Amino acid sequence: EDKVVQSPLSLVVHEGDTVTLNCSYEVTNFRSLLWYKQEKKAPTFLFMLTSSGIEKKSGRLSSILDKKELSSILNITATQTGDSAIYLCAVEGTSGSRLTFGEGTQLTVNP
Amino acid sequence: NAGVTQTPKFQVLKTGQSMTLQCAQDMNHNSMYWYRQDPGMGLRLIYYSASEGTTDKGEVPNGYNVSRLNKREFSLRLESAAPSQTSVYFCASSVTLQHNYGYTFGSGTRLTVV
Repeated sequence: EDKVVQSPLSLVVHEGDTVTLNCSYEVTNFRSLLWYKQEKKAPTFLFMLTSSGIEKKSGRLSSILDKKELSSILNITATQTGDSAIYLCAVEGTSGSRLTFGEGTQLTVNP
Repeated sequence: NAGVTQTPKFQVLKTGQSMTLQCAQDMNHNSMYWYRQDPGMGLRLIYYSASEGTTDKGEVPNGYNVSRLNKREFSLRLESAAPSQTSVYFCASSVTLQHNYGYTFGSGTRLTVV
């Protein structure tokens, strides 16, 4: 059974800080790893990482996939209060063909 | 651009009552999913439909049934609600199971069973 573990589960920082969120996984025949941001309602897609695309960046957010360590990190630099959200990591294996989600990291950015 | 639409947004049920959560997408996606989200447990897959006419169990299917009415609509039914089914329910869709751009989620249904 596929498994995804995120850490920390909760994080409180001040505006301007840099944060690193972690995601480790066990999946049969890894296909992709995805990061989502969830504010008050629906999760919204941030990045997808695959064997052919192990690093993605968008503005202050970046993510790296380490296939050897079966993990990924999501970095957010110069955090803003609008970054406060739950960040979800999910993986997809070719055998299951559905996403398995981790517990999420609740990030709170204080002014 | 509606995306994925879920109804209702909120619902309170008494134990033993039944209800159907509705989900519709207008993106011509083939695959649709129902997840529940509980504190500290992330999103857990209840049922999914790879394509119109097919449905399969996910991680936590007990107490639920689904219907893929057509390509657009995928409903989730609770036949006899239990307090353990108090949760936030999300419907999602993707182009196919082997998606390339992730899932699109609805805004969720907050269900309380008393």
